[in-house]
Amino acid sequence: NAGVTQTPKFQVLKTGQSMTLQCAQDMNHEYMSWYRQDPGMGLRLIHYSVGAGITDQGEVPNGYNVSRSTTEDFPLRLLSAAPSQTSVYFCASADARWAQYFGPGTRLLVL
Amino acid sequence: DAKTTQPNSMESNEEEPVHLPCNHSTISGTDYIHWYRQLPSQGPEYVIHGLTSNVNNRMASLAIAEDRKSSTLILHRATLRDAAVYYCIPTNAGGTSYGKLTFGQGTILTVHP
Repeated sequence: NAGVTQTPKFQVLKTGQSMTLQCAQDMNHEYMSWYRQDPGMGLRLIHYSVGAGITDQGEVPNGYNVSRSTTEDFPLRLLSAAPSQTSVYFCASADARWAQYFGPGTRLLVL
Repeated sequence: DAKTTQPNSMESNEEEPVHLPCNHSTISGTDYIHWYRQLPSQGPEYVIHGLTSNVNNRMASLAIAEDRKSSTLILHRATLRDAAVYYCIPTNAGGTSYGKLTFGQGTILTVHP
């Protein structure tokens, strides 16, 4: 199993640009989520999904959209990038015991 | 969400046991106690979790106090690869909070050769 994969690994955007961060898992997990981690801080939940077609907001959802059309994929869309969205983004999926498995992260720099 | 208190940092020598404490005095009866760690420049990694009884797996042991207000993650023989930030996270496995991890500052573990 590849586990949780994320692309790209690193991205530079200009303010106002949009982009999609990709996340995929091959463990058939129903629950998936997105977190962001700012320098020196813990992770904060952006959005989560309990299954295909079902998404909900986390702690810091503003400026981000998600959709879940398949069990495997959970993309995160930045609608109009802002410097405050410079961060490291982690995707995760959870197994039936609620152990969560995180991807390697996407480092985003917004200029 | 239950509040947690962990030491900011701890140090250990390689091949010695490490006991990482966590206080979670406001934990609810349905909260599981999860432990994750984050190695430098990597995503968090699941370590172990439990509800009431002590738990063991290949990575670590989790000792939970009888009143559940505190727990201790035990690394039996620390290696250099165990140097990471360790997060103790009470998590409600039901209702609208399930699956949501609230990360605090964690404990930075340094392992000396």
